[in-house]
Amino acid sequence: GNSVTQMEGPVTLSEEAFLTINCTYTATGYPSLFWYVQYPGEGLQLLLKATKADDKGSNKGFEATYRKETTSFHLEKGSVQVSDSAVYFCALSDRHAGGTSYGKLTFGQGTILTVHP
Amino acid sequence: DAGVTQSPTHLIKTRGQQVTLRCSPKSGHDTVSWYQQALGQGPQFIFQYYEEEERQRGNFPDRFSGHQFPNYSSELNVNALLLGDSALYLCASSFGQGTSGANVLTFGAGSRLTVL
Repeated sequence: GNSVTQMEGPVTLSEEAFLTINCTYTATGYPSLFWYVQYPGEGLQLLLKATKADDKGSNKGFEATYRKETTSFHLEKGSVQVSDSAVYFCALSDRHAGGTSYGKLTFGQGTILTVHP
Repeated sequence: DAGVTQSPTHLIKTRGQQVTLRCSPKSGHDTVSWYQQALGQGPQFIFQYYEEEERQRGNFPDRFSGHQFPNYSSELNVNALLLGDSALYLCASSFGQGTSGANVLTFGAGSRLTVL
């Protein structure tokens, strides 16, 4: 079955530091890949996505590239801010032959990020 | 434009009781999915409703059931509660079954269930 593995957390950084959160996956078919972010007391929000190999998703300074050869989708940001402190989830969704999708996501366990001033 | 709204926000039940959680999807969305998020874990897919029918189901027992109404809102019911059912229950809505849009989920803030 499908699975997503994220790097162990929590991650603690100083403001303006470089961020990498590793994510690898196992899936059949042609998965789409996602990063979601969860701020305290809020629901998950889609941060970025990539739907095929070599696609780069980007949003709010965050980037991730869909690497089929290494089955990875690592999240990066060049300079983190205190406001980036949250829990980050990597996820995948099966995309069946013909491109159909049905919105069933498999999530990793989440990585807690804390950014200090 | 309201996003996904869930109720209640918090609730406490005892073992063996039954609970109903409610979800109103984002305006324009027609598909509702439910996820269970245990403390310190990622969300796990429970099931999905589209056109008032259960379309997909994760590895959850029959004690977990649901319903979707004609206005696309949804309920999650859990019978015979166990201590292990304590979790944050997330509702997510989407639009466009069978298209890439089906994967773009909008989540509610969740209902936190504590079973004593």
